[in-house]
Amino acid sequence: GESVGLHLPTLSVQEGDNSIINCAYSNSASDYFIWYKQESGKGPQFIIDIRSNMDKRQGQRVTVLLNKTVKHLSLQIAATQPGDSAVYFCADLNNQGGKLIFGQGTELSVKP
Amino acid sequence: NAGVTQTPKFQVLKTGQSMTLQCAQDMNHEYMSWYRQDPGMGLRLIHYSVGAGITDQGEVPNGYNVSRSTTEDFPLRLLSAAPSQTSVYFCASRESSYNEQFFGPGTRLTVL
Repeated sequence: GESVGLHLPTLSVQEGDNSIINCAYSNSASDYFIWYKQESGKGPQFIIDIRSNMDKRQGQRVTVLLNKTVKHLSLQIAATQPGDSAVYFCADLNNQGGKLIFGQGTELSVKP
Repeated sequence: NAGVTQTPKFQVLKTGQSMTLQCAQDMNHEYMSWYRQDPGMGLRLIHYSVGAGITDQGEVPNGYNVSRSTTEDFPLRLLSAAPSQTSVYFCASRESSYNEQFFGPGTRLTVL
């Protein structure tokens, strides 16, 4: 079956450094990808999305890169802050837009 | 707008009991979904709906029923609760396929 998975379950970075969180997907027909942030005890919060006709999209301090050749997605956070500490999920939209399937998640820890 | 609301916030059931988790949104979104999240894991899709009167199964539908009689409401029913259904349940909605998905605050369910 399909899967959207992450390479690393945990990531620890120094405050001020850049963070890179990776995600692999298996369905070559997937055409929409989203990154979510989830803080402890809360629901996931949308960060940024990207359509499959794009390679890169930038937001405020965040950039998502999409490599369709190797079915790989990454989230880059610039100048990581303590408030960025959370679990980050990638999600993949398939089945003609109905199902939004989530990956396992990466826990980002920011050291002061 | 209240966004996506879920009730109750917490619930304890005994094995075999039934209950309904409520979800409502006031954003006139067509798409609604139910996910469960187990400790240290990602979100798994239970059921979803792309409009009133239309529902479909997600990744882990067994033991759960849904209906979508109105655009606003998407209740999740547990017919005969089992300890394996102990989890945090999130409801989510979005306007259409390629739009940001908003999550509710979650319902923490324990089945004894």
